[in-house]
Amino acid sequence: EVQLLESGGGLVQRGGSLRLSCAASGFTFDNYWMTWVRQAPGKGLEWVANIKQDGSEKFYVDSVKGRITISRDNARDSLYLQFNSLRVEDTAVYYCVRARRYCRSTTSCPEGLDYWGQGTLVSVAS
Amino acid sequence: DIQMTQSPSSLAASVGDRVTITCRASQNIGDYLNWYQQKPGKAPRLLIYAASGLQSGVPSRFSGSGSGTDFTLTISSLQPEDFVTYSCQQTYSVPWTFGQGTKVEIK
Repeated sequence: EVQLLESGGGLVQRGGSLRLSCAASGFTFDNYWMTWVRQAPGKGLEWVANIKQDGSEKFYVDSVKGRITISRDNARDSLYLQFNSLRVEDTAVYYCVRARRYCRSTTSCPEGLDYWGQGTLVSVAS
Repeated sequence: DIQMTQSPSSLAASVGDRVTITCRASQNIGDYLNWYQQKPGKAPRLLIYAASGLQSGVPSRFSGSGSGTDFTLTISSLQPEDFVTYSCQQTYSVPWTFGQGTKVEIK
């Protein structure tokens, strides 16, 4: 059974730092891109960052570039999100998510976010 | 960035109704479109991948269609557990973007 278990959320002061962790199990972790998605209270879903299987490629939404770092430890089947210079607008539930490729041809491989953790809440106080 | 616009933002329907939700992309995204269902306080669940693929374990009353810029999610016969929120997402290019969500409510 695929499981993703986030930890590390909590209440932090504006400008502070925090690291989220995600422990993966039930699948071959280093076969998949991994993703963080967040959801502010009462708002929609927002993609935050992606990381390639070997960690060699990383992508971020513009609003977090330079402040957030995604990383992974394949030996520990773990995904991380390091926050620096937290802002009030970073307050959200953060989900650790597996990205799966659904290839229909050699040139078309759409991704879908097929397994989600339960989420961890990050609250940034002003 | 590719903008995803869902309509309607909310709708009211009855058990057994056929419901269609629309998602429009600001540029051509081929079939790089997914649909998610989210219950209150829970993580989203992938329903439809690549515009029309039914994710394993998802009931067959859910279906997706479309390509390019216009996509639809159809629920053929609403069940009580379907009165929740649905969101579309494009994975054609980063930043991956979601629609604002459609809340399906009981009439």
